Amino acid sequence: GENVEQHPSTLSVQEGDSAVIKCTYSDSASNYFPWYKQELGKRPQLIIDIRSNVGEKKDQRIAVTLNKTAKHFSLHITETQPEDSAVYFCAAPPRSGGSNYKLTFGKGTLLTVNP
Amino acid sequence: EAGVAQSPRYKIIEKRQSVAFWCNPISGHATLYWYQQILGQGPKLLIQFQNNGVVDDSQLPKDRFSAERLKGVDSTLKIQPAKLEDSAVYLCASSLELADGTDTQYFGPGTRLTVL
Repeated sequence: GENVEQHPSTLSVQEGDSAVIKCTYSDSASNYFPWYKQELGKRPQLIIDIRSNVGEKKDQRIAVTLNKTAKHFSLHITETQPEDSAVYFCAAPPRSGGSNYKLTFGKGTLLTVNP
Repeated sequence: EAGVAQSPRYKIIEKRQSVAFWCNPISGHATLYWYQQILGQGPKLLIQFQNNGVVDDSQLPKDRFSAERLKGVDSTLKIQPAKLEDSAVYLCASSLELADGTDTQYFGPGTRLTVL
């Protein structure tokens, strides 16, 4: 099955700085890589995702980059704000999709943005 | 568009008791997932349904956990009997397969289970 490693487990930044979280995956057939944000006591919410046919995707202050050769993808948050404080999870599917689609999640990164 | 609904939101039981969770997915989503999220960890898939059929239950502890989705819409997850290590948040998610073969999963608010 898929193995997803996520680093760092905790990250503390000053407001306005950038934050980068990195994930590696094991299955070269994986083709979809979502990132979820989970605030304390809340549900995981999709914030951005990338498919294997592109190397980078941006949405305002959030971007995700994908390196298929190295089998890693990263979440970049620029101009961090206190409301960005949360646990962030990456995920990857173990196969190329279809009816057997399922995600393996990383262990999460606790991001703290200090005012 | 209404999101994934789950109930109850919280449940406290003693070990060896039984408990059941309910999930109503987003309308039209054929795929439904149950995840277990232990404190400090990422969600772990327990079971995946496609309509009312089981696609993957390889990580479901079948000696005590069961799940069903009889009419291909709502689903229930049951634990009988519960153990202390079952204390976790149980998340339900649903997805609609896109034309490119990928699924975007949307999560419900979860049920926080405490086993004493």
